[in-house]
Parts: sequence; C-alpha cells; structure tokens
Amino acid sequence: DGGITQSPKYLFRKEGQNVTLSCEQNLNHDAMYWYRQDPGQGLRLIYYSQIVNDFQKGDIAEGYSVSREKKESFPLTVTSAQKNPTAFYLCASSMGAGTHPAFFGQGTRLTVV
Amino acid sequence: EDQVTQSPEALRLQEGESSSLNCSYTVSGLRGLFWYRQDPGKGPEFLFTLYSAGEEKEKERLKATLTKKESFLHITAPKPEDSATYLCAVQAGYSSASKIIFGSGTRLSIRP
Repeated sequence: DGGITQSPKYLFRKEGQNVTLSCEQNLNHDAMYWYRQDPGQGLRLIYYSQIVNDFQKGDIAEGYSVSREKKESFPLTVTSAQKNPTAFYLCASSMGAGTHPAFFGQGTRLTVV
Repeated sequence: EDQVTQSPEALRLQEGESSSLNCSYTVSGLRGLFWYRQDPGKGPEFLFTLYSAGEEKEKERLKATLTKKESFLHITAPKPEDSATYLCAVQAGYSSASKIIFGSGTRLSIRP
C-alpha cells in the first residue's frame, strides 16, 4: 500500500543532542513537508521540498535542518539550537508544487529528557 | 494577516445529535480550503477540498460547505467512531509557493 512512513514513533533527546527523524514515501510525490504540532495550536510548517535537492524554510525553521537527496526521503534533524523541541512532528507529501499536503505520516513524538 | 480560526475548541455530542463545526478565515486570494480528521496520536487524514463559495462536499455523515468567509463541517447523526479532532486548513495565493495555514482544530467527542 502507498503511504508515508515516519520513524521512530517515539524519540527522546538529551539536552545538547541532535536527533534525526525519518520520513519515507512511496507515493511518487514530488513535494514533501515537515510540520510541528503543539497542543492547542495549528500545524506549523518547518521545511518543505518541492523537488529533489531543493528545499525551503517554512515559518519555524530555526533549529532544524533537512535534506532531500532522494525523491522518497525527507529526513528532519532537530539540532541542539532548537530550544523547545518537545512536540509532535508530522511529515506530509503532495503531488507537486502548489498542491496541498494530502497524505500524512503517523507522526513522531519527540521529548526532551 | 492571513488567519484561520476554528470553533468551538471542543464539542461533546450525544450519539445521533447533529451539529456543525466552524472554520472562519481571513486570507488574500483563497485557493482552496481543506478539512482533515485526526485521531489521537496519529497523522491527519484528508477529508475534503473546497475551492469556491457555494461548493459542498459529502462523505458518509459529513458535509462540508464554503462561503466567502467561512466553512462549516456538518455532522449528521454522529456515531462514537466520529470522535476525533477535525482540522481546517486554507491555501492562500496562486504561486507555486502559496502558503497553507492550519487552524487549531475542533476536538469532537460523541457519547454512546
């Protein structure tokens, strides 16, 4: 079945540590997105990519980094510069530029310990 | 400033009790409005896209409508399995980098 796979489902990060969240899709979609979800707030865009080897900052990119070396993969690294990383992270994809995120992964819950 | 507001924040209904969720928006150049369903601890599931005022979409017990200022998600005779958070999102602008703005959601609970 086509879809988006995020891993791990739960992740714990120590202070000062970088962690990487995985996102893989087999939908042959060009565009991929990373969102952050906090309680009582709407999804906020971290980074998006419309094509391989290209990505753009979203509204809250500080403290995060991404890469898009393959069409299927869009990993997100939460760096030590992100001061409040505890949140639910969602990866999404869509067919191409200007289209809405139609498919979401099941999310990764990141907690700072 | 582009904005999407959903109300109420939470809604508790008895099974079979119909109601509506609201999504009001203030954006320049509406390109599309989207509804999603999100179960606890899961990613959102896409439900509907609406493009222009007067448009309606239906799926089982759900019907989404759109005006120039807001959208409603009507739920008719809901069942406990309809309990979820419903998210509204708006796409503003017509460039390839047009923004998508999400509301904070309405948490719907249906009691048997």
